[in-house]
Amino acid sequence: KQEVTQIPAALSVPEGENLVLNCSFTDSAIYNLQWFRQDPGKGLTSLLLIQSSQREQTSGRLNASLDKSSGRSTLYIAASQPGDSATYLCAVNSSYKLIFGSGTRLLVRP
Amino acid sequence: EAGVVQSPRYKIIEKKQPVAFWCNPISGHNTLYWYLQNLGQGPELLIRYENEEAVDDSQLPKDRFSAERLKGVDSTLKIQPAELGDSAVYLCASSLDDSERAFFGQGTRLTVV
Repeated sequence: KQEVTQIPAALSVPEGENLVLNCSFTDSAIYNLQWFRQDPGKGLTSLLLIQSSQREQTSGRLNASLDKSSGRSTLYIAASQPGDSATYLCAVNSSYKLIFGSGTRLLVRP
Repeated sequence: EAGVVQSPRYKIIEKKQPVAFWCNPISGHNTLYWYLQNLGQGPELLIRYENEEAVDDSQLPKDRFSAERLKGVDSTLKIQPAELGDSAVYLCASSLDDSERAFFGQGTRLTVV
């Protein structure tokens, strides 16, 4: 059974800092991995999707990497801003369904 | 392009009452998902549709939950009767197919009292 773990559960950083969020999964047989952002009381916004054959994807200040063999992905956020404060969820596409971690709650302090 | 639309946004009902949630996916998206999200947790899949066919409903509590996707477009998720433990956010998502990026609606927050 696929399990997804995100560390840390919460993170507080000063504005401008570069940071890394971690995601690990137990079964390397995945089709892709997605990173989502969720603001309080809102739905999920897809940030990046990495196909199983890819190593990384970039969008603006965000960079996500995937090491399928070790069951790990990281989301790198450069020059963090208060507007980046949200919960970040990773999800692996396993057996054609998304299996989510519990998320990392990020607070960027002005 | 319109996103995934869900209604209602909020619903408060008494236990044992029925409730229904509606979802309109992004036009052209063949795959539709219903997820349940408890506070502080990631979403968990309830059911996945490919067009009008439910291809994965293994985690749907079929004694009280039902879903339909008539004509392969919008979908309805129903709970009857609702229990206190059903209080959660119900999220709908769609994608072009089951290997593509998923887009989520705003969710319906259900409170059962």
